[in-house]
Amino acid sequence: NAGVTQTPKFQVLKTGQSMTLQCAQDMNHEYMSWYRQDPGMGLRLIHYSVGAGITDQGEVPNGYNVSRSTTEDFPLRLLSAAPSQTSVYFCASSYSSGDSGYTFGSGTRLTVV
Amino acid sequence: AQSVTQPDIHITVSEGASLELRCNYSYGATPYLFWYVQSPGQGLQLLLKYFSGDTLVQGIKGFEAEFKRSQSSFNLRKPSVHWSDAAEYFCAVRIIGFQKLVFGTGTRLLVSP
Repeated sequence: NAGVTQTPKFQVLKTGQSMTLQCAQDMNHEYMSWYRQDPGMGLRLIHYSVGAGITDQGEVPNGYNVSRSTTEDFPLRLLSAAPSQTSVYFCASSYSSGDSGYTFGSGTRLTVV
Repeated sequence: AQSVTQPDIHITVSEGASLELRCNYSYGATPYLFWYVQSPGQGLQLLLKYFSGDTLVQGIKGFEAEFKRSQSSFNLRKPSVHWSDAAEYFCAVRIIGFQKLVFGTGTRLLVSP
């Protein structure tokens, strides 16, 4: 089924480790984004991309890095994990017009110890 | 500051009773408006969206929402709640001309027998 695929679903990291959260979509969406979800804070935008080769920061970008080499993939890199990055991460995509709404992945639950 | 406000953190409704979840936004112009639902441990599913035209929009699962420009509100309603509606509901806005989706902090709906 067409959609947004996130891997892994669960991950435990030690402080200081690095890792990449994967996000792939097969709907030819131009726009892709990463959010983190924390209790009582809703979803906060980390980074987003309006097309291959173009990325920009959201409201909470520190400690995260992204790149967009293809339309399909938008990986999120944690450079040096910190306990404050314990969260649930969601990837979302849409057509550039946004008319059809945004499609979300099922999330990655990350714990940093 | 631009923001999306969901004033109710938790709401408890009896099964079969009506439901209204509140959402207010503070932006200079009318944005695109969305409601998403998140079941426990799941991703976000689009319930409905408003771009323009009729201010009462119908969505999936029997939900509807009404846009009121004068009140900067986009409240979600359902005439008769089912136990399966228990979930967290997020209001989100997208400023026209931009692609970022900004979320409220969510309202958790509990359904009592």
